[in-house]
Amino acid sequence: DAKTTQPPSMDCAEGRAANLPCNHSTISGNEYVYWYRQIHSQGPQYIIHGLKNNETNEMASLIITEDRKSSTLILPHATLRDTAVYYCIVNGGYQKVTFGTGTKLQVIP
Amino acid sequence: DSGVTQTPKHLITATGQRVTLRCSPRSGDLSVYWYQQSLDQGLQFLIQYYNGEERAKGNILERFSAQQFPDLHSELNLSSLELGDSALYFCASSVEGGPTTGANVLTFGAGSRLTVL
Repeated sequence: DAKTTQPPSMDCAEGRAANLPCNHSTISGNEYVYWYRQIHSQGPQYIIHGLKNNETNEMASLIITEDRKSSTLILPHATLRDTAVYYCIVNGGYQKVTFGTGTKLQVIP
Repeated sequence: DSGVTQTPKHLITATGQRVTLRCSPRSGDLSVYWYQQSLDQGLQFLIQYYNGEERAKGNILERFSAQQFPDLHSELNLSSLELGDSALYFCASSVEGGPTTGANVLTFGAGSRLTVL
Protein backbone atom coordinates (compact mmCIF):
# COMPACT_ATOMS: atom_id res chain seq x y z
CA ASP A 1 0.00 0.00 0.00
CA ALA A 2 2.86 2.35 -0.85
CA LYS A 3 1.62 5.75 -1.92
CA THR A 4 4.45 6.56 -4.30
CA THR A 5 5.48 5.58 -7.82
CA GLN A 6 9.13 5.43 -8.85
CA PRO A 7 10.89 4.14 -11.96
CA PRO A 8 12.36 0.69 -11.24
CA SER A 9 15.85 1.57 -12.41
CA MET A 10 18.05 4.41 -13.64
CA ASP A 11 21.63 4.86 -14.76
CA CYS A 12 23.80 7.89 -14.14
CA ALA A 13 27.34 8.68 -15.26
CA GLU A 14 29.84 9.21 -12.48
CA GLY A 15 30.29 12.90 -11.71
CA ARG A 16 26.99 13.88 -13.22
CA ALA A 17 23.85 14.83 -11.34
CA ALA A 18 21.42 12.01 -10.62
CA ASN A 19 17.79 13.10 -10.71
CA LEU A 20 15.42 10.56 -9.22
CA PRO A 21 11.71 11.24 -9.70
CA CYS A 22 8.85 10.23 -7.45
CA ASN A 23 5.14 10.55 -8.02
CA HIS A 24 2.89 10.97 -4.99
CA SER A 25 -0.32 12.33 -6.47
CA THR A 26 -2.48 11.35 -3.47
CA ILE A 27 -0.34 13.10 -0.85
CA SER A 28 -2.31 14.88 1.83
CA GLY A 29 -1.56 18.23 3.43
CA ASN A 30 0.27 17.02 6.52
CA GLU A 31 2.29 14.25 4.90
CA TYR A 32 6.01 14.63 4.42
CA VAL A 33 8.11 13.29 1.55
CA TYR A 34 11.12 11.26 2.71
CA TRP A 35 13.96 9.70 0.79
CA TYR A 36 16.04 6.79 1.98
CA ARG A 37 18.57 4.62 0.22
CA GLN A 38 19.77 1.08 0.72
CA ILE A 39 23.23 0.10 -0.41
CA HIS A 40 23.33 -3.62 -1.14
CA SER A 41 22.02 -5.40 1.98
CA GLN A 42 22.87 -2.67 4.45
CA GLY A 43 20.26 -0.99 6.60
CA PRO A 44 18.42 1.79 4.78
CA GLN A 45 19.91 5.23 5.25
CA TYR A 46 17.93 8.44 5.61
CA ILE A 47 18.77 11.08 3.00
CA ILE A 48 16.39 14.01 3.23
CA HIS A 49 12.78 14.99 3.79
CA GLY A 50 10.48 17.90 3.08
CA LEU A 51 6.92 19.12 3.43
CA LYS A 52 6.39 21.94 0.94
CA ASN A 53 9.64 23.76 0.38
CA ASN A 54 12.69 22.54 -1.45
CA GLU A 55 15.35 21.22 0.89
CA THR A 56 19.10 20.73 0.66
CA ASN A 57 21.59 19.03 2.92
CA GLU A 58 25.10 17.68 2.59
CA MET A 59 23.88 14.59 0.76
CA ALA A 60 21.24 15.78 -1.65
CA SER A 61 18.57 18.26 -2.70
CA LEU A 62 14.84 17.63 -2.68
CA ILE A 63 12.64 19.49 -5.12
CA ILE A 64 8.89 19.30 -4.41
CA THR A 65 6.45 20.60 -7.01
CA GLU A 66 4.09 23.36 -6.00
CA ASP A 67 1.08 21.03 -6.01
CA ARG A 68 3.15 18.51 -3.99
CA LYS A 69 2.15 15.68 -6.29
CA SER A 70 5.68 14.83 -7.27
CA SER A 71 9.24 15.36 -6.18
CA THR A 72 12.79 14.86 -7.39
CA LEU A 73 15.82 13.81 -5.40
CA ILE A 74 19.01 15.28 -6.78
CA LEU A 75 22.46 13.86 -6.07
CA PRO A 76 24.60 16.70 -7.45
CA HIS A 77 27.74 14.74 -8.30
CA ALA A 78 27.06 11.01 -8.31
CA THR A 79 29.86 8.66 -7.31
CA LEU A 80 30.11 4.90 -7.55
CA ARG A 81 29.27 4.76 -3.83
CA ASP A 82 25.85 6.23 -4.64
CA THR A 83 24.84 3.02 -6.41
CA ALA A 84 21.87 1.87 -4.33
CA VAL A 85 18.12 1.43 -4.21
CA TYR A 86 16.45 4.76 -3.48
CA TYR A 87 13.09 4.81 -1.74
CA CYS A 88 10.64 7.70 -1.81
CA ILE A 89 8.12 7.58 1.04
CA VAL A 90 5.14 9.71 1.87
CA ASN A 91 4.09 9.65 5.49
CA GLY A 92 2.30 11.58 8.17
CA GLY A 93 3.81 11.21 11.62
CA TYR A 94 0.94 9.05 12.84
CA GLN A 95 1.00 6.47 10.05
CA LYS A 96 2.83 3.21 9.56
CA VAL A 97 5.94 3.66 7.48
CA THR A 98 5.83 1.47 4.39
CA PHE A 99 8.44 1.21 1.65
CA GLY A 100 7.70 0.61 -2.01
CA THR A 101 10.03 -1.04 -4.47
CA GLY A 102 12.20 2.03 -5.02
CA THR A 103 14.53 2.99 -7.86
CA LYS A 104 17.72 1.03 -8.40
CA LEU A 105 20.33 3.65 -9.31
CA GLN A 106 23.41 2.40 -11.08
CA VAL A 107 26.28 4.90 -11.27
CA ILE A 108 28.45 4.09 -14.25
CA PRO A 109 32.18 4.92 -14.38
CA ASP B 1 27.32 3.24 13.49
CA SER B 2 23.71 4.44 13.26
CA GLY B 3 23.06 4.12 16.99
CA VAL B 4 20.50 1.35 16.46
CA THR B 5 21.92 -1.97 17.63
CA GLN B 6 20.63 -5.29 16.40
CA THR B 7 21.69 -8.69 17.66
CA PRO B 8 22.54 -11.25 16.53
CA LYS B 9 24.02 -10.19 13.20
CA HIS B 10 23.73 -13.67 11.79
CA LEU B 11 21.64 -16.62 12.90
CA ILE B 12 21.33 -20.08 11.38
CA THR B 13 18.66 -22.41 12.65
CA ALA B 14 16.44 -25.29 11.58
CA THR B 15 12.82 -25.45 10.53
CA GLY B 16 10.39 -25.62 13.41
CA GLN B 17 12.68 -23.74 15.77
CA ARG B 18 12.12 -20.45 17.54
CA VAL B 19 14.45 -17.44 17.59
CA THR B 20 14.50 -14.02 19.18
CA LEU B 21 15.95 -10.94 17.52
CA ARG B 22 16.85 -7.98 19.67
CA CYS B 23 16.91 -4.26 18.90
CA SER B 24 18.21 -1.38 20.99
CA PRO B 25 17.00 1.96 19.64
CA ARG B 26 18.98 5.17 19.47
CA SER B 27 19.14 7.00 22.74
CA GLY B 28 16.03 9.17 23.09
CA ASP B 29 14.01 7.41 20.40
CA LEU B 30 10.59 6.21 21.49
CA SER B 31 9.46 4.27 18.42
CA VAL B 32 10.78 0.95 17.19
CA TYR B 33 9.91 -0.57 13.83
CA TRP B 34 10.53 -4.07 12.47
CA TYR B 35 10.92 -4.89 8.79
CA GLN B 36 11.53 -8.12 6.89
CA GLN B 37 13.50 -8.21 3.64
CA SER B 38 13.67 -11.50 1.79
CA LEU B 39 16.27 -12.07 -0.92
CA ASP B 40 16.01 -9.40 -3.62
CA GLN B 41 12.69 -8.24 -2.19
CA GLY B 42 11.54 -4.96 -0.79
CA LEU B 43 11.21 -4.00 2.83
CA GLN B 44 8.05 -5.42 4.34
CA PHE B 45 6.75 -3.55 7.36
CA LEU B 46 5.96 -5.90 10.23
CA ILE B 47 5.14 -3.90 13.32
CA GLN B 48 5.79 -0.65 15.18
CA TYR B 49 5.91 0.13 18.89
CA TYR B 50 5.77 3.56 20.45
CA ASN B 51 6.82 3.99 24.06
CA GLY B 52 5.97 0.41 24.92
CA GLU B 53 2.68 0.13 23.10
CA GLU B 54 1.88 -1.40 19.74
CA ARG B 55 1.28 1.48 17.34
CA ALA B 56 0.89 -0.06 13.90
CA LYS B 57 0.80 -3.53 12.43
CA GLY B 58 1.71 -4.72 8.95
CA ASN B 59 1.65 -8.14 7.39
CA ILE B 60 3.12 -9.87 10.40
CA LEU B 61 2.50 -13.61 10.58
CA GLU B 62 0.76 -15.09 13.61
CA ARG B 63 3.93 -17.13 14.24
CA PHE B 64 5.77 -13.84 14.80
CA SER B 65 5.37 -11.60 17.81
CA ALA B 66 7.13 -8.58 19.18
CA GLN B 67 7.25 -6.37 22.21
CA GLN B 68 8.91 -3.21 23.44
CA PHE B 69 10.18 -3.21 26.98
CA PRO B 70 10.20 -0.37 29.56
CA ASP B 71 13.81 0.45 28.67
CA LEU B 72 12.55 0.81 25.05
CA HIS B 73 14.51 -2.07 23.58
CA SER B 74 12.45 -4.43 21.45
CA GLU B 75 12.44 -8.11 20.65
CA LEU B 76 10.99 -9.89 17.62
CA ASN B 77 10.11 -13.52 18.26
CA LEU B 78 9.84 -15.88 15.33
CA SER B 79 8.47 -19.35 16.01
CA SER B 80 7.75 -22.55 14.06
CA LEU B 81 10.28 -21.33 11.55
CA GLU B 82 9.91 -22.20 7.88
CA LEU B 83 12.39 -22.03 5.02
CA GLY B 84 10.57 -18.96 3.73
CA ASP B 85 11.33 -17.04 6.90
CA SER B 86 14.96 -16.79 5.82
CA ALA B 87 15.52 -13.07 5.40
CA LEU B 88 17.15 -9.93 6.67
CA TYR B 89 15.26 -8.45 9.60
CA PHE B 90 15.77 -4.74 10.14
CA CYS B 91 14.92 -2.69 13.14
CA ALA B 92 14.54 1.08 12.95
CA SER B 93 13.88 3.69 15.58
CA SER B 94 12.61 7.26 15.61
CA VAL B 95 11.99 10.00 18.10
CA GLU B 96 8.37 10.36 17.08
CA GLY B 97 5.89 7.94 15.53
CA GLY B 98 3.29 8.53 18.16
CA PRO B 99 -0.23 9.87 17.77
CA THR B 100 0.88 13.23 16.44
CA THR B 101 1.69 14.66 13.05
CA GLY B 102 5.08 16.00 12.15
CA ALA B 103 8.29 14.75 10.62
CA ASN B 104 9.33 11.26 11.63
CA VAL B 105 12.78 10.22 10.44
CA LEU B 106 13.75 6.57 10.87
CA THR B 107 17.23 5.37 11.72
CA PHE B 108 17.93 1.76 10.76
CA GLY B 109 20.15 -0.83 12.30
CA ALA B 110 22.47 -3.08 10.31
CA GLY B 111 20.01 -5.95 10.37
CA SER B 112 19.91 -9.56 11.53
CA ARG B 113 20.35 -12.17 8.82
CA LEU B 114 18.28 -15.26 9.57
CA THR B 115 18.89 -18.48 7.68
CA VAL B 116 16.48 -21.35 8.20
CA LEU B 117 17.74 -24.73 6.99
